[in-house]
Amino acid sequence: DIQMTQSPSSLSASVGDRVTITCQASQDIGNYLNWYQQKPGKAPKLLIYDASNLETGVPSRFSGSGSGTDFTFTISSLQPEDIATYYCQQYDNLPFTFGPGTKVDIK
Amino acid sequence: QVQLQESGPGLVKPAETLSLTCTVSGGSISNYYWSWIRQPPGKGLEWIGYIYYTGSTNYNPSLKSRVTISVDTSKNQFSLKLTSVTAADTAVYYCARDDVRDGYDGYFDSWGQGTLVTVSS
Repeated sequence: DIQMTQSPSSLSASVGDRVTITCQASQDIGNYLNWYQQKPGKAPKLLIYDASNLETGVPSRFSGSGSGTDFTFTISSLQPEDIATYYCQQYDNLPFTFGPGTKVDIK
Repeated sequence: QVQLQESGPGLVKPAETLSLTCTVSGGSISNYYWSWIRQPPGKGLEWIGYIYYTGSTNYNPSLKSRVTISVDTSKNQFSLKLTSVTAADTAVYYCARDDVRDGYDGYFDSWGQGTLVTVSS
């Protein structure tokens, strides 16, 4: 299985701050990486697909980049409604695997 | 817009079989893969497996010996059975649509609200 790691595991930032999360795969997965947002008590929501493409309807303050084994997820200006846990997920190889998540809250 | 809804018992005894059904509304179950994903309380996400509308399946090797996913296209439903459950199988179980884009699947673009299944005597 492809192992996914994320850092940090949690972070606190102020409204308006730029927030960056990294995700690393245990082997080259090309750009076959998605990012999800999960708010407390809710199902995950697909935000970014193919490492850098914004899902329809997702605000443009969210972005993703990277390829191979190293990926980055960015919120350009943190908003109160962005409080959530963010997960990366690879779909290069079965079984699909997720990162452990990064919990984002407001300072 | 497609909607998914999980249903099934919220409490299962150890060593018994967990059974859940996902009903798809607002769209056809055809031409998509459909996955089950679980999340133990306070932990991360684990993909359990998927089924294509034709009935072909693929399971996570970590659960393969205990998992069966089936589909009923006439009812727009797909189901999960997990046998010989233990407390480690306690989790929120989600069903999700697994979209195909440019020939690749693995895009979970629609999810059910999730259902908590507790394994306890």
